Amino acid sequence: SQTIHQWPATLVQPVGSPLSLECTVEGTSNPNLYWYRQAAGRGLQLLFYSVGIGQISSEVPQNLSASRPQDRQFILSSKKLLLSDSGFYLCAWSSSGGREQYFGPGTRLTVT
Amino acid sequence: AQKITQTQPGMFVQEKEAVTLDCTYDTSDQSYGLFWYKQPSSGEMIFLIYQGSYDEQNATEGRYSLNFQKARKSANLVISASQLGDSAMYFCAMTTGFQKLVFGTGTRLLVSP
Repeated sequence: SQTIHQWPATLVQPVGSPLSLECTVEGTSNPNLYWYRQAAGRGLQLLFYSVGIGQISSEVPQNLSASRPQDRQFILSSKKLLLSDSGFYLCAWSSSGGREQYFGPGTRLTVT
Repeated sequence: AQKITQTQPGMFVQEKEAVTLDCTYDTSDQSYGLFWYKQPSSGEMIFLIYQGSYDEQNATEGRYSLNFQKARKSANLVISASQLGDSAMYFCAMTTGFQKLVFGTGTRLLVSP
């Protein structure tokens, strides 16, 4: 069966520091991968998606970037965090022909 | 652009009763998909049910059913026989074309004994 991992689970970082969040998927190949952010009390907003290694599409302009160095690895990064980057970050995957997206456990980021 | 509207910030229901969570959507696309996800306090998003725009019958998954009214652009979630474990945030979402989910703001459901 397929599983999706995210780490770290929680993170507290000062403003201006770098960020790296990692997401990996097991049990499938060539998945579509997604990064979402959920602000407190809000719905999810799609940040990035990827249909293959090195292929990244950005949905909203922001302080963040994403990379996909391996088929089942998706990384969310920032060079300098802003207070507004605080939130709950969720990674998700779907099969290339499927419809449902399956979410990881999330990373709660607090920028201080 | 696609938009999902969930007008109920919070809902209360007694255990074993049914509850309906409202969702309306807006899109100009003819082909789209509608989803409901559950988010417990742990934060993970759990897929509940899916309805395609061309599906003629309402989707059902165990205690979950989706009341799809295409002309009204509504996709309400019905939970039958509520359980205490159903207490969570519930999000309606849609996709058109590529699998990019657009989410509503959610409804917090509280099930009381």
